[in-house]
Formats: sequence, C-alpha cells, structure tokens
Amino acid sequence: DTEVTQTPKHLVMGMTNKKSLKCEQHMGHRAMYWYKQKAKKPPELMFVYSYEKLSINESVPSRFSPECPNSSLLNLHLHALQPEDSALYLCASRRTGTGDNEQFFGPGTRLTVL
Amino acid sequence: AQSVTQLGSHVSVSEGALVLLRCNYSSSVPPYLFWYVQYPNQGLQLLLKYTSAATLVKGINGFEAEFKKSETSFHLTKPSAHMSDAAEYFCAVSRGGSQGNLIFGKGTKLSVKP
Repeated sequence: DTEVTQTPKHLVMGMTNKKSLKCEQHMGHRAMYWYKQKAKKPPELMFVYSYEKLSINESVPSRFSPECPNSSLLNLHLHALQPEDSALYLCASRRTGTGDNEQFFGPGTRLTVL
Repeated sequence: AQSVTQLGSHVSVSEGALVLLRCNYSSSVPPYLFWYVQYPNQGLQLLLKYTSAATLVKGINGFEAEFKKSETSFHLTKPSAHMSDAAEYFCAVSRGGSQGNLIFGKGTKLSVKP
C-alpha cells in the first residue's frame, strides 16, 4: 500500500458545527503533515507530527485541533470555523530515517464553511 | 533560509511543443529539490526529485529536470506537451534533516492548446 487516504472528500459545515478530517497511511511513515491550500496558492503548512508527537504548529488558530492517535492515523478536528477557512486540506506523510524528505500527499478534503 | 522562485505563474504551450517550467532556489546547504504536479481538486503527485545522486533527473510522464548548482536552478522540461499535462506545477526545496519540511514555490499553471 503506497497511498495516503483522506476522508471525507468534500465537507460543508456551518460556523457552529464540529467536524473532523481523517488521514490514513500504511507505509510505515512516522512523520505526518497537515496543509491548507487556498485556490491558486501553494500548500501552506499547518502541523507536523513526528513519531506521533506534535513537533510543529505553524501558529494555527485553536479552532483547528490536530490529533495523531497512532502511527497510521492523523485527524484534524474542526470547531467554530470561519468562512475564510474554506480551502483544500491536504495530508502528507514522509518516511523518517532517509535524507531526501519526499512527502506523499493524499487527495485532500475540500472544506466549505458557510 | 531556503526559498524557491518559480518564474511565470502561467505558461501556455501548444500540444507537441516543448514544455519548460522554471525554478530557482536559494539554500545555504545542499538542497533536496522536488517537482510536484497537481490536477484540479486533487492532491500533489511527485514528478521527480533531486537528491544529489545525478544532476539530470528523469521523472514520470516524460518529464525531466536538470540541477545546475552554478545557476541555482532546477528547471522542468518535457520535449512534447500532451493535453493531459495541463495542471499546476510546484517546485519545492527541503534542507533535509529530521523535520523534512518542504518550501514550495508559488506554482506555475501549465495550459496546453490543441
């Protein structure tokens, strides 16, 4: 299995809702990432998990809450989002212990906040 | 600090013509360099990567890139464009190390005319 999967593919939520995005990989990668991507922009790093521990939080608002319950799974919990949070949310993983740092990306979740 | 500059936010070529997408990098250490492709509403797919093994790197779908240290460039080329090559292309740099973060360029949208 050489892919990163993300669910759901699309999500529409109101500003008072609570929802979660899920990311899974079975490649044995121990680094996992959340990115936010707005239209016509490159991906913007949000969080990095290394060996299931949060290692980087790029000053993301607390309405985004990441969780890494095990080495294969990464969640992003969403609460009280704003319309400007509408974007494509990408998950990625990387094999640790090698030098080149290639990241494998999932297909993304298209989030719309009403 | 590392950075990537992609010259030209939009490149348009005719089907069968040469594709040239430009990427210049800045890095204080030997870099790892990547080209990713993104089709609409999809995640990023790795086209090719430079990891110091060879300066001319061949990737998927007939793409290749040449690492030129003297010019700090890593331009992406394909001899003959196909309609299916129309997509957004991102150049990225990583310094290696435990964090393995990718620094992305702003992207180049490739259009292919019939």
